[in-house]
Amino acid sequence: DSGVTQTPKHLITATGQRVTLRCSPRSGDLSVYWYQQSLDQGLQFLIQYYNGEERAKGNILERFSAQQFPDLHSELNLSSLELGDSALYFCASSATGGDEETQYFGPGTRLLVL
Amino acid sequence: ILNVEQSPQSLHVQEGDSTNFTCSFPSSNFYALHWYRWETAKSPEALFVMTLNGDEKKKGRISATLNTKEGYSYLYIKGSQPEDSATYLCAFENYGQNFVFGPGTRLSVLP
Repeated sequence: DSGVTQTPKHLITATGQRVTLRCSPRSGDLSVYWYQQSLDQGLQFLIQYYNGEERAKGNILERFSAQQFPDLHSELNLSSLELGDSALYFCASSATGGDEETQYFGPGTRLLVL
Repeated sequence: ILNVEQSPQSLHVQEGDSTNFTCSFPSSNFYALHWYRWETAKSPEALFVMTLNGDEKKKGRISATLNTKEGYSYLYIKGSQPEDSATYLCAFENYGQNFVFGPGTRLSVLP
């Protein structure tokens, strides 16, 4: 158990809809990362937050957004969903977001868009 | 609780040395074992997906073996180069649709 929690575990929705994925980092960790794991593109880095502020941006679509709240939990919002958005979405956390730090991954949220 | 462990946590080798590291995972309900090469804040590069006990896969100087009965996989790098410096991450996937990452092994190859 990494200490990172993600909810929900599974999510099924329809095209065009909007969903919110939630992540709680390990106790004491200030930085949160979001990743998308899909069959065709592998594991893609989406975005990183540190103490409420966006720190780094990866391959995140404009239809997606994220935020980190004062209590350090993070939400990833996916809107205007398409079939290709079906994937596993992982959250990871680290202490301060430094390049040399270990990131601890959550169990993931499996999204299925029908 | 599904635990995936990797050892060592970090490793420094000289250019030209060969090296290996380990990923340990639950042996029950196994579906697949994934290896990634990862530079932080970038998308991890998928190296191997291994599903069968006894699998051996190779990609250039990097190879991996899999033992699902005892729950471990080895990643080998032959003749390490400075560009091999990265974190090597393994992830265990089971039939319950659980996907669990190890903490990674950070490799530094010194010229």
